[in-house]
Amino acid sequence: EADIYQTPRYLVIGTGKKITLECSQTMGHDKMYWYQQDPGMELHLIHYSYGVNSTEKGDLSSESTVSRIRTEHFPLTLESARPSHTSQYLCASSEYSGTEQFFGPGTRLTVL
Amino acid sequence: KQEVTQIPAALSVPEGENLVLNCSFTDSAIYNLQWFRQDPGKGLTSLLLIQSSQREQTSGRLNASLDKSSGRSTLYIAASQPGDSATYLCAVIPMDNQGGKLIFGQGTELSVKP
Repeated sequence: EADIYQTPRYLVIGTGKKITLECSQTMGHDKMYWYQQDPGMELHLIHYSYGVNSTEKGDLSSESTVSRIRTEHFPLTLESARPSHTSQYLCASSEYSGTEQFFGPGTRLTVL
Repeated sequence: KQEVTQIPAALSVPEGENLVLNCSFTDSAIYNLQWFRQDPGKGLTSLLLIQSSQREQTSGRLNASLDKSSGRSTLYIAASQPGDSATYLCAVIPMDNQGGKLIFGQGTELSVKP
């Protein structure tokens, strides 16, 4: 089993709150990714990183932001949560682009 | 634009049956293809990774094949068990995608009845 962790696992929060979803991996992978999955829908990439101080937006537009200050840590932040942000957020990492991606357990976010 | 389709969307089989899940992709220029398993409300577990130069990969009761020219992959599960019940996802990395971003299908929800 891959060593990639996400906290919190579940979060219910009111509109307008600032939230940070944490993702950490202990495999020393340079590549990290954030995917969003709405219920019954496919996963879509929202952010990715090649390494420290590198972040890029994915295919699905997102109001969230990410940072990569340390190799093992790739947090995602929503400055002002809205009900449309309700979804499952999955973090992943890989050693190189194109190699096997390992996923964390996900954070299920509900914004009321 | 690469699109990934999985058929069927849902499948119910009795325990012990062998079964095949299908995945198709519109652009044959892929770097690799990965099969995942997702349990309800959980993250993804990587099952098999097939590089573009490979035809198949095996792990235990699972066998995945890849036919790039026809844009198809299959996941064969032998002697299915109730514990195999989950959603199975396939995903590709396009050849021109330098970021290594996976493009997913919508998944096949498998139910194995005891």
